[in-house]
Amino acid sequence: DSGVTQTPKHLITATGQRVTLRCSPRSGDLSVYWYQQSLDQGLQFLIQYYNGEERAKGNILERFSAQQFPDLHSELNLSSLELGDSALYFCASSGRTRQDEQFFGPGTRLTVL
Amino acid sequence: DAKTTQPTSMDCAEGRAANLPCNHSTISGNEYVYWYRQIHSQGPQYIIHGLKNNETNEMASLIITEDRKSSTLILPHATLRDTAVYYCIVRVDMYSGGGADGLTFGKGTHLIIQP
Repeated sequence: DSGVTQTPKHLITATGQRVTLRCSPRSGDLSVYWYQQSLDQGLQFLIQYYNGEERAKGNILERFSAQQFPDLHSELNLSSLELGDSALYFCASSGRTRQDEQFFGPGTRLTVL
Repeated sequence: DAKTTQPTSMDCAEGRAANLPCNHSTISGNEYVYWYRQIHSQGPQYIIHGLKNNETNEMASLIITEDRKSSTLILPHATLRDTAVYYCIVRVDMYSGGGADGLTFGKGTHLIIQP
């Protein structure tokens, strides 16, 4: 158990819809990262937040957005969903001790029908 | 971040040492070598990282060549639970002025531990 929690575990929705994925980092970690893992693209970094502020952006689509709240939990919002957005979405956190080790949550499996 | 090259897959007998190679010939002086693994659709798990000295922890050992162009992750006594995809990642350490950024995962090595 990494100490990072993600909800929901599974999500099934239709094209064009909007969903929100939630992540609670390890206690005391200030950084939250979001990753997408699909069969064709592999594991890709989407975005990082540090203590409520956006810190770095990876291959995140404009239809996707994220935020980190004062209690440090984070949400990833995916809108206008397409079939190709079906993937595993992982959240990771770091920073309680050193920034160099990221702790990953169990992921949310999103299926877009 | 420097690019890494790993074999697509490897087999190892249970109880033997598993040696996973990684080439990173374009590594820069301030870049560390990190290893993560992912057990079947679970979240990736940090294993170990190092700069130029060999490192050991409770999970594995990391051997980095003197020119730093390649490294080997060693799982000393592999078990069936070590079957996973192992990712070698090269990046600047946050504490060395590395940028705030996510990890860049390649395709990794699928290590299969045979009973």
